[in-house]
Order: sequence, then structure tokens, then C-alpha cells
Amino acid sequence: GAVVSQHPSWVICKSGTSVKIECRSLDFQATTMFWYRQFPKQSLMLMATSNEGSKATYEQGVEKDKFLINHASLTLSTLTVTSAHPEDSSFYICSARGAGSGKPDEQFFGPGTRLTVL
Amino acid sequence: LAKTTQPISMDSYEGQEVNITCSHNNIATNDYITWYQQFPSQGPRFIIQGYKTKVTNEVASLFIPADRKSSTLSLPRVSLSDTAVYYCLVATRYDNQGGKLIFGQGTELSVKP
Repeated sequence: GAVVSQHPSWVICKSGTSVKIECRSLDFQATTMFWYRQFPKQSLMLMATSNEGSKATYEQGVEKDKFLINHASLTLSTLTVTSAHPEDSSFYICSARGAGSGKPDEQFFGPGTRLTVL
Repeated sequence: LAKTTQPISMDSYEGQEVNITCSHNNIATNDYITWYQQFPSQGPRFIIQGYKTKVTNEVASLFIPADRKSSTLSLPRVSLSDTAVYYCLVATRYDNQGGKLIFGQGTELSVKP
């Protein structure tokens, strides 16, 4: 149980385009979802926290107009990288937590999405 | 959120026991200690969580001294497939911090044949 999926697993796009990444909790309702990014050989950096039905809370230094987060349902959160540029190329990982997982205090991580901006 | 400090890297051989120690001097009363494992190009995977003393599950043990300012993840008889980055995190289990996790640099464990 407590499986989190991400789609797509990898994406290549041209500079200036927007890319949407989906994060789904497959077998539980996620009241809170988190988005991270990870550059090669570095640790995960928390970008934002989103609660279902409310606006996301962004970490300091993360541009909310560039990284649009929507958490419209208890099983789906989306991250849209708007006007992507090569420096946005990274590994994006989501996680989810919720009472329906059976372990409300634990975060379950998705497999990640590799974004490459040309 | 309490900051954690771990060794950047460790080497081991197959069959050995590996102990990775993490320092968290500013741990708060409500904080729990959680360890995650991450393979390249994958999301982190939960290993173990504890509050004090010792916790053991099917893959690891977690030792936490009485002052809780450090913790040690113990991996018994490692294999090549245990080569990964291991993260120690300290976070409250309650919602006053939103449950967010702040990852430190992690420990890159390399298991050799």
C-alpha cells in the first residue's frame, strides 16, 4: 500500500515551453503533498508544500509564478514549470502523506521525473 | 527544524555491518528521527523511524541515546544492492510544521565485493 506515482518519468522540452508533472497517490488520500527538486550529486531540496484545496506554501527562494502547484483533489497534485530554461533541468520528486495511508506521519515518495530543457 | 550532520561517504564490503551516525544537536521534544534510502534517479525510500532507545525492523536497526542528540543507523550484513545514499532527517510528527522534511547532504554508502 501507500504508492505514489509520477508522470511522466522523464521529459525533454525546448526552452520557453511549459511542462506539467503529475503526482498521484494511488491507494490513499493525500491531504498534503510536497514537491522537491534534486540536482546531480546533491540532496533533495524542498520546493513547496501543498494541502488539498488550498494554495501551496513555497520555500524561500522558490518562484511561485514559475513553479505552479495545484492540489485540486486528494489524490492528485501537479507541478507546472512555466517558461522552462536549461537551468530548470533537474530531477523533480513529489511525496504525499495522509491518514488514508495507514501511516499518517510518514511521507511516501514518488519515483521522480527527470526534466531536461534544451 | 533541527539540522543534521552525517559523514559524506562511507565504504564497506559485502557481509559487513555498517553503522552510519547522524548528529542532531538541536532536536526538539516533538521531533522524530527518520532514515531514508535513495538510489540514483529514484525517489527516497523509508527505512526506519524512531524517537528514543532502539528500533528494529526487517532491514535495519536505529539506536538513539538518551539525550537524542545523535542516532545511528545499523545495516546488518550489507550487500552490493545496499549501495545508495542514506539520509537522516529530524522532523516533528505533528502538524505544527506541516510535516515537511528538510534533507541534509546524506551519506553515500559504497559496498564493494
